[in-house]
Amino acid sequence: ETTLTQSPAFMSATPGDKVNISCKASQDIDDDMNWYQQKPGEAAILIIQEATTLVPGIPPRFSGSGYGTDFTLTINNIESEDVAYYFCLQHDKIPYTFGQGTKLEIK
Amino acid sequence: EVQLVESGGGLVQPGGSLRLSCAASGFTFSSYSMNWVRQAPGKGLEWLSYISSDSTTIYYVDSVKGRFTISRDNAKNSLYLQMHSLRAEDTAVYYCARAAHVDYWGHGTLVTVSS
Repeated sequence: ETTLTQSPAFMSATPGDKVNISCKASQDIDDDMNWYQQKPGEAAILIIQEATTLVPGIPPRFSGSGYGTDFTLTINNIESEDVAYYFCLQHDKIPYTFGQGTKLEIK
Repeated sequence: EVQLVESGGGLVQPGGSLRLSCAASGFTFSSYSMNWVRQAPGKGLEWLSYISSDSTTIYYVDSVKGRFTISRDNAKNSLYLQMHSLRAEDTAVYYCARAAHVDYWGHGTLVTVSS
C-alpha cells in the first residue's frame, strides 16, 4: 500500500499569504496525484489533477508541483474563501490512498 | 452539471447489513468507472472500492473484502455498496466518487454501527 504523508495537519494564514501543503508518497506514483478542497457541508472539489494541472474553473492562485514521491499544493494570495480542508489522493496504485488532510484557517 | 447523491445510510446494529446507493446525473454514467470512499469521525479518508464502467473490473481495500460488494446498474444510473457484517469501525460518512482519477464526489451518507 502506498502511504501518503501530508503536512501540515493544520495551518493558519493571513489574507495575501502564500501557503504550501506537502504530500509525500512512500513509493513512486508518477504524476497520479490529485488535490481536493472540501468545505463544511459541501462535496469535495478537485482543484489539481495529475500533480500539476489546474482544474478548469479553479482560481489560478492554486497550483500544484511534484512528480514521483514529493508533491506540493501552493495557494498564492490566500483569500478568506480558501478556508477549507485540503487533501491529496494517489490514484496510481490500488488501493488508492489519501493524505491525512490539512485544515486551513484564515486569520 | 455532474451530481452524485448518496442515500441509504442510517443506524445499524453490529453484525447487520446495509445497502448504500448513489444516484448519478449530469453525465453519461455508463462511460465512467466509480468508487466508494469513506471517512470515519475524526479520521482520514479511506478508499473502499472501484468498479469499471462495465462492471468487469472490481477492486476492494483489504479491510472490506468479503464483507462489502460494489455493483452498478447503468440503466438506472446508479451505483451501490452492499455492506454485511458491519462493525463499529465501519461507522463513517460514505461517499461515491466518479472515475478512475476521482474527479467528482457526492456529499456523502452517514452510516452508524452501534447497538
